[in-house]
Amino acid sequence: AQKITQTQPGMFVQEKEAVTLDCTYDTSDPSYGLFWYKQPSSGEMIFLIYQGSYDQQNATEGRYSLNFQKARKSANLVISASQLGDSAMYFCAMREGQGYSSASKIIFGSGTRLSIRP
Amino acid sequence: NAGVMQNPRHLVRRRGQEARLRCSPMKGHSHVYWYRQLPEEGLKFMVYLQKENIIDESGMPKERFSAEFPKEGPSILRIQQVVRGDSAAYFCASSPGLAEDTQYFGPGTRLTVL
Repeated sequence: AQKITQTQPGMFVQEKEAVTLDCTYDTSDPSYGLFWYKQPSSGEMIFLIYQGSYDQQNATEGRYSLNFQKARKSANLVISASQLGDSAMYFCAMREGQGYSSASKIIFGSGTRLSIRP
Repeated sequence: NAGVMQNPRHLVRRRGQEARLRCSPMKGHSHVYWYRQLPEEGLKFMVYLQKENIIDESGMPKERFSAEFPKEGPSILRIQQVVRGDSAAYFCASSPGLAEDTQYFGPGTRLTVL
């Protein structure tokens, strides 16, 4: 069965430092997608970054990059030059299968609460 | 370009009443997903719908919960005879339904059962 594990319930980081949020996953499907979402205190879910299992390059979106290590089944999120506005809950998530007819539900980890210190 | 719309944002019900949560997907998206988030937990999948079809309802409780996505109008998540344990944030997401699509989430509806 598919599973997402986030082992860091909370993290404190100094402003402007880089931060890595850990995520490991488990699936028997060779085709899958990995996501990171941010949930600020206001509650909405904000999509940050996506990595497909067949993608050769690590995904990057501005200050966000996904350190994808397929053999280790890890998909860590790296935020460079952290800002106060980065303080939020961060969820790693996975969808098994790719393509129109595949199952599309997303499985979420339990989240990491990131707090940025000024 | 409007995102996923959910209403109401906050809903208070007494035990035994019905709750109706609405979701309008992003323009051009024909796939809708509902998730539930209990306090201090991650989101849990409930149901996946396309227009007039339920594709996957493996996360839906067997009783009291139902969902629809009619040909016209928003998707509706309906909870009958609510209990205190139904108090949670309910999120709707939509996607265009293409390969490797990303799901974009609405702001959520926070249901409180008194």
